Amino acid sequence: NAGVTQTPKFQVLKTGQSMTLQCAQDMNHNSMYWYRQDPGMGLRLIYYSASEGTTDKGEVPNGYNVSRLNKREFSLRLESAAPSQTSVYFCASSEDKGRTDTQYFGPGTRLTVL
Amino acid sequence: EDQVTQSPEALRLQEGESSSLNCSYTVSGLRGLFWYRQDPGKGPEFLFTLYSAGEEKEKERLKATLTKKESFLHITAPKPEDSATYLCAVGPGGGSYIPTFGRGTSLIVHP
Repeated sequence: NAGVTQTPKFQVLKTGQSMTLQCAQDMNHNSMYWYRQDPGMGLRLIYYSASEGTTDKGEVPNGYNVSRLNKREFSLRLESAAPSQTSVYFCASSEDKGRTDTQYFGPGTRLTVL
Repeated sequence: EDQVTQSPEALRLQEGESSSLNCSYTVSGLRGLFWYRQDPGKGPEFLFTLYSAGEEKEKERLKATLTKKESFLHITAPKPEDSATYLCAVGPGGGSYIPTFGRGTSLIVHP
């Protein structure tokens, strides 16, 4: 099993450009998450999807949109990138059988917005 | 509001020098406390889950313990390869299943 995969690994954007970060998991997990990690701030939840067909805002959703394409895939879109969105983005998944479950993380996408 | 505080922020040890990392939490009904290890440039990797006070789990040189207000990650005779950032997260009570993460402890073990 590959676990959680993310593409791309690195990306440089100019202010105002758009892009989509892709995430896929092969563990048949119900829940998927997008986090950003900044120095001194820890992991902050952007959006999550408790099950296929549902998405909800996390702590820092402004400037982002998500799509739960199917059970395996959960994408994060930046419509108009800003320098404040320079960060490392992690996708995670968990089984979540009605309880808080272990999360499995992808390798991350390092995004720089100039 | 759920809160997780990890201390110290950074810890430097000599190889073989045992120590402990602390995770203090405030949550309305703990549904699980999680420890993760994160190596530079990589995603967090799951280590342990603890569900109730008094519970302990071990893996190689690491041992995690849980009380009603905090968790400790004990590192016995650490090696340089144990150098990493260790993250703690708590699963909340109520209807949400989204864990809250601490900011982590950066551990460096010198040979």
